[in-house]
Parts: sequence; C-alpha cells; structure tokens
Amino acid sequence: QKEVEQDPGPLSVPEGAIVSLNCTYSNSAFQYFMWYRQYSRKGPELLMYTYSSGNKEDGRFTAQVDKSSKYISLFIRDSQPSDSATYLCAMRDSSASKIIFGSGTRLSIRP
Amino acid sequence: GAGVSQSPRYKVAKRGQDVALRCDPISGHVSLFWYQQALGQGPEFLTYFQNEAQLDKSGLPSDRFFAERPEGSVSTLKIQRTQQEDSAVYLCASSLEDGNYGYTFGSGTRLTVV
Repeated sequence: QKEVEQDPGPLSVPEGAIVSLNCTYSNSAFQYFMWYRQYSRKGPELLMYTYSSGNKEDGRFTAQVDKSSKYISLFIRDSQPSDSATYLCAMRDSSASKIIFGSGTRLSIRP
Repeated sequence: GAGVSQSPRYKVAKRGQDVALRCDPISGHVSLFWYQQALGQGPEFLTYFQNEAQLDKSGLPSDRFFAERPEGSVSTLKIQRTQQEDSAVYLCASSLEDGNYGYTFGSGTRLTVV
C-alpha cells in the first residue's frame, strides 16, 4: 500500500462548478501538506501548502487537512477551463526533506 | 532566467547507452531534488542535495543511477547502461532551505529508451 493514496480520475465537471479533490495517507508523522498543479509537459507548480491541521484559503482555492482522519482536500470554487490539469497532493514529515506525492488526479473543466 | 532550467528537454537513448541530465536551479537555492515521474504517476523521489552534499540518495533505483552537484549549484543526474524501464520524465526542483513548504520544479527531461 502506498503512503499517499489519490484517486487518479479523470474528473470532468462543467465550468463554474465546485471541485473537490482528496487524498488519504498512512504516515501519522506527516506535518506539511501541499497541493501542486501540473499542466501537460510541464513541471508541478505549488498551489497551496498547510502545516498540520486546519484550513487555508487563497482566492478560489481552499485546502483542508484533517490529521485525525489522515485526509486532505482541495476545493476549487467557480472552476474555469484553465483549471484543467493534473492535481497532485504531497506531504512530508518534519524530519525528512523529501516530499511524498500522490499519483495525481486529472481534472477537466468543460466550457 | 528566474526558474529551474533542465536540459535537454527530450532525450532518446538506445538501450545500454549512458545519459546525463542537467539541472540549473534557481540562483541561491540551497536545496536541490531529483524526482522520476512515470506516465500517469506522481513524482517519485530519487535524491536530495544540500549545497554540494548529497544528503539522501535512498530513492535511486539502482547503482546505474548517479547524481552530483560538485559546486553546490548545477547538478547532473547520470544513468549508465540505460534500460527500457528508465523511460520517464526526470524532474529537478530547488528550494531556499530544506523545502518545508514545497519547492520549485523545472519542466523536466523526458527520457525515452528504445
């Protein structure tokens, strides 16, 4: 079983919808949680990060971490066709430098 | 440029050939990471440098893989005697310190072994 599990999708929603992306993890030592967006043939781009549990909002994006359930979410409000990409969750603990990624969810926003 | 630069962008190698992939991190970034991304998968950690010191190479899949960063800036990932299973995108990332809050990735080198 992988340390970080993520539904690969693909997920297709109409423009303007609210999108919910999720990951579960098994390592209770993870403290830093990130979401990356990756367009085709590009490197991952950091979207959101949170430390420990709680919510963080940045424009149309909200990241949530529930450490008790080992579950993290990314919500995208008022989704746009330009949001179409692969979304990767990522996390690490405080002692290691390497980030562990999920397998990514491919998202498509229909105009 | 201001970003992480990787070269070449694409590389086709015959099985058994040696390849070298280059990464130019953002100027002043102390930490440098190499990841391997297979098609349809998330990036998998290969190795980590802090300045010129290779602090973690636990993700290198075999002794055919070797990475260096001799002057603490540019890094090279070398793969000897390439095999078909080495086909993937190799991503380089850098950060100011230990990457607590994520790093900046380059666009990667797509390696195809034929």
